[in-house]
Amino acid sequence: EVQLVESGGALVQPGGSLRLSCTASGFTFSSYAMSWVRQAPGKGLEWVSAISGSGVTTYYADSVKGRFTISRDSSKNTLYLQMNSLRAEDTAVYYCAKENFRYYYIDVWGKGTTVTVSS
Amino acid sequence: DIQMTQSPSSLSASVGDRVTITCRASQTITSYLNWYQQKPGKAPKVLIFGASSLQSGVPSRFSGSGSGTDFTLTISSLQPEDFATYYCQQSYSTPYTFGQGTKLEIK
Repeated sequence: EVQLVESGGALVQPGGSLRLSCTASGFTFSSYAMSWVRQAPGKGLEWVSAISGSGVTTYYADSVKGRFTISRDSSKNTLYLQMNSLRAEDTAVYYCAKENFRYYYIDVWGKGTTVTVSS
Repeated sequence: DIQMTQSPSSLSASVGDRVTITCRASQTITSYLNWYQQKPGKAPKVLIFGASSLQSGVPSRFSGSGSGTDFTLTISSLQPEDFATYYCQQSYSTPYTFGQGTKLEIK
């Protein structure tokens, strides 16, 4: 069964840092691009970042560029999101997602991990 | 960045109704348009990819059409389990932006 399990969500103070992890199983992790998508409380979906299967190429939304870093460790089948200089507006459920080869759509989602930025 | 605009933002309908949701891109995205369904407290689930391809396991009452900048999601006969929020997403160029969502409620 293809599965993504996120971890690392927490309550953190503004200006703080946090690293999210996503452990993948049931597919050849290194063959697929992966993404992070977030959803603030009561709001819509926001694409945050993506990384190629090789890990060489990364992409970011303007709202997180320079503060967040996406990476992956294929030996551990794990995707990461390092979040620095956190702001209240980063408060959200963060979903790990697997991209499909065709049309780059998300075909598998994790259940999400909650990040709350508050003093 | 490509902006995605969905309409309507909310919609009330009855079981058995035919429903159409539209999504417009701020520039051409050819067929790189995907539709997702999200229920409260759950992760989204893909329904349609590439504007008109039905994801495996999704009921055939869901269909998508369009290309370029204008797209539609149609549910031919609403079922009770279809009441949810629907999002379009362009995957033509990063950032892969989502529409603001359409909340489909029971009339």
